[in-house]
Amino acid sequence: SAVISQKPSRDICQRGTSLTIQCQVDSQVTMMFWYRQQPGQSLTLIATANQGSEATYESGFVIDKFPISRPNLTFSTLTVSNMSPEDSSIYLCSVDTGLNGYTFGSGTRLTVV
Amino acid sequence: GDSVTQMEGPVTLSEEAFLTINCTYTATGYPSLFWYVQYPGEGLQLLLKATKADDKGSNKGFEATYRKETTSFHLEKGSVQVSDSAVYFCALSPSISSGSARQLTFGSGTQLTVLP
Repeated sequence: SAVISQKPSRDICQRGTSLTIQCQVDSQVTMMFWYRQQPGQSLTLIATANQGSEATYESGFVIDKFPISRPNLTFSTLTVSNMSPEDSSIYLCSVDTGLNGYTFGSGTRLTVV
Repeated sequence: GDSVTQMEGPVTLSEEAFLTINCTYTATGYPSLFWYVQYPGEGLQLLLKATKADDKGSNKGFEATYRKETTSFHLEKGSVQVSDSAVYFCALSPSISSGSARQLTFGSGTQLTVLP
């Protein structure tokens, strides 16, 4: 199955700043997914990113706040913009391996102060 | 839309006790079903999966059977260990025939603590 390298693993950021999270996959994949896991909560899908097209955002998430890039079939970034303490969460990327399997990155633990 | 309802936690058991975490789902067609585990401070790991009715997924002593008639995928383990302490998530992905995007829908998660 695919292996995902996600970084940074954690960060502490000042409110009003932005953080870009990167995910690198060791194989080509069509779809990549970005999730948020707020403290003590389950995972919520932020958006689905396909190479060569704009990401598709779920209700409650907008491109201005969470811009996503997908320049090729092995890489994607998620930016958390103009951060506030409410953005403190774990952010995870995931890929569909196409064999009824999903692989997750190790997550980025973000704290906004 | 698709949804997953998972037994509320937290669950605290003694070592070697029997574990059941209930999971039911709502979806059209025949989704694929998963259990993921998240150990403290770590990301998600696939524990087991089932892709069609009556399939049984199993791994590390955990089992779950895809029950179409009851739309359930309950997780069981006959004898838990301290090292099983983690958060467990039930999840589904839509059936290919549904035409939906293939993202996972997660349950709320169940925190399991196993005491020695």
